[in-house]
Order: sequence, then structure tokens, then C-alpha cells
Amino acid sequence: EAGVTQFPSHSVIEKGQTVTLRCDPISGHDNLYWYRRVMGKEIKFLLHFVKESKQDESGMPNNRFLAERTGGTYSTLKVQPAELEDSGVYFCASSQDYRGGYTFGSGTRLTVV
Amino acid sequence: AQSVTQPDIHITVSEGASLELRCNYSYGATPYLFWYVQSPGQGLQLLLKYFSGDTLVQGIKGFEAEFKRSQSSFNLRKPSVHWSDAAEYFCAVGASGTYKYIFGTGTRLKVLA
Repeated sequence: EAGVTQFPSHSVIEKGQTVTLRCDPISGHDNLYWYRRVMGKEIKFLLHFVKESKQDESGMPNNRFLAERTGGTYSTLKVQPAELEDSGVYFCASSQDYRGGYTFGSGTRLTVV
Repeated sequence: AQSVTQPDIHITVSEGASLELRCNYSYGATPYLFWYVQSPGQGLQLLLKYFSGDTLVQGIKGFEAEFKRSQSSFNLRKPSVHWSDAAEYFCAVGASGTYKYIFGTGTRLKVLA
């Protein structure tokens, strides 16, 4: 089966600009997650979708971040306007349930300059 | 507060030597435990998981981990390291009924030829 796909793999933007990250989960996985790793720190939970609904968005840093999941398929994470502290690697993952562990994508490295 | 600690930021071992990566957790509920590996340019790959039962779990690539409730630990081991094991390793904890994982800060493994 195809894995979790994220793009772009890298993005360099200026402070104040907008960036949209995309994630295509494994087909049939209702659960989709976004995580972020700021350099040198732990990977932190951002939010969790079940199909198209946000189940838990407690990890979203602030209202500059907006996540959507169209029709329960792919998801986008938009940062608008981007700030320097938003730099990091954004991971997307999907799962059928919580017992099996997630399948992660390769991540999007975002650099805000 | 829930947390995962990986006390070793960097570890260097010689090829063929044994390996143990430490992970300690603090979690109120019965934990589900995971080890993930991230090779350069790749996403996070699930190495192994523990939910219940036998406290010694086997994973992929010859890795194993042992859950010790009394020590709140879930250390990852490999009897003989290969150069291809050079990567960053993450311990994560979840709990029954929750889809959110808490990750440690990672341990970067370097393998000497």
C-alpha cells in the first residue's frame, strides 16, 4: 500500500507569508494527525482528525494555524502569517486505530526567514 | 504531568557492538509504548510497540524492547549494531482511549565502522 505522502518536502518562506502543507494519508485510514518538531526538541502533537472532523486540536499553537481535511481524505495545514518560531519539521501520520501505531510521512521542513 | 525522557541525546557505538537506548516515561494511565526510528531523509518508522502481555517485545530490524513498570522504562536494545542503524530514535507513549502520543526528544545514534 502507498504510505503517507507529504509535500512539499521543504519550504523556505519569509516572515509574514503564508504556507500550506499537504498530507495524503493511507487510503482507508480515518485517523489523521499532525505533529511538529522544532529543532532539537520533542515531536509535539498538533491535532487529530477523524475523517473530516477535528477530534482534538489542543496542540495547535495559535490561530495562525488552520488545518482542514477535505472529505475525510487529504489534509492541509496552513500557517498564516508565518513567524520565525514556526520553523521546524511538520509530520503527518495516519492510522486505522490507536493500537497499531501511526504511519508517518517523511515530513515537511519549514524554514521561516 | 505526562512526559517521556530519553536521557541520551547522542550515542556512538562501533559496528557489531550491542546497543541500549533508554526511555523513561511518566504517565498516569496504563501506557502504550512505542519506538520509532527516523533515518536521514525518511519519515518516522515504527520499530515496535507494547500494549500488554509479554514485557519483552520484538520489533523489526532485530530490535527488541523491555517494559519495566517498576522502573517506568521501555529501553530499546539490539545485540549487534549495523552501520545502517545510524539514525535518530524516538520513544513515545500513549494510553488506552487516546490517540495522542507523547514523544521523547530523540537519541541520535552514530555507528563507527
